[in-house]
Amino acid sequence: KQEVTQIPAALSVPEGENLVLNCSFTDSAIYNLQWFRQDPGKGLTSLLLIQSSQREQTSGRLNASLDKSSGRSTLYIAASQPGDSATYLCAAPDSTDSWGKFQFGAGTQVVVTP
Amino acid sequence: GAVVSQHPSWVICKSGTSVKIECRSLDFQATTMFWYRQFPKQSLMLMATSNEGSKATYEQGVEKDKFLINHASLTLSTLTVTSAHPEDSSFYICSARGGGLDSGANVLTFGAGSRLTVL
Repeated sequence: KQEVTQIPAALSVPEGENLVLNCSFTDSAIYNLQWFRQDPGKGLTSLLLIQSSQREQTSGRLNASLDKSSGRSTLYIAASQPGDSATYLCAAPDSTDSWGKFQFGAGTQVVVTP
Repeated sequence: GAVVSQHPSWVICKSGTSVKIECRSLDFQATTMFWYRQFPKQSLMLMATSNEGSKATYEQGVEKDKFLINHASLTLSTLTVTSAHPEDSSFYICSARGGGLDSGANVLTFGAGSRLTVL
């Protein structure tokens, strides 16, 4: 069964610094991996979806890399802003599940201080 | 730790029937619950936000008359798929906010999901 771990659990940085969020997964037979953002009181918002054939995916200040062989994905957020404060979750599908059900990490809670 | 229970975990129904899925927070009160759906081998998508005692807030493109959400108590939210059709076959996951050590903060606990197959 797929297990997803996120490190660190919490991160606090001053505005302008780059953020590096780590995600590791045990089942490397994934067809994609997804990063989400969760704002207080809100549901999950999808940020980036990386297909297994890709090594990275970029959207604005966000860049996510995927290394299936090592079971790792990293989310980079450049030039952080207070509006980036949120919880970030990664999710990877379970290849043993016929529907590829996603397993979520516990998340990294990010605080960007002005 | 905090637990969210979903029932049923798997349901098969005939086209045209309605199916109800329950989401319960077992050891904490959840004023807000979220419902997601995932198509086979695709990403998870937020359907609606359910607040206890008020109407659910649906995401754009989600039919509120098709997917009825009721959050009648602080520990129970239900999703009813009305007049189900094969295209409604999906994996439905709920999550509840609360249950952490600082339960008023931004802590989400996910249910195990309910797999719906409409024949």
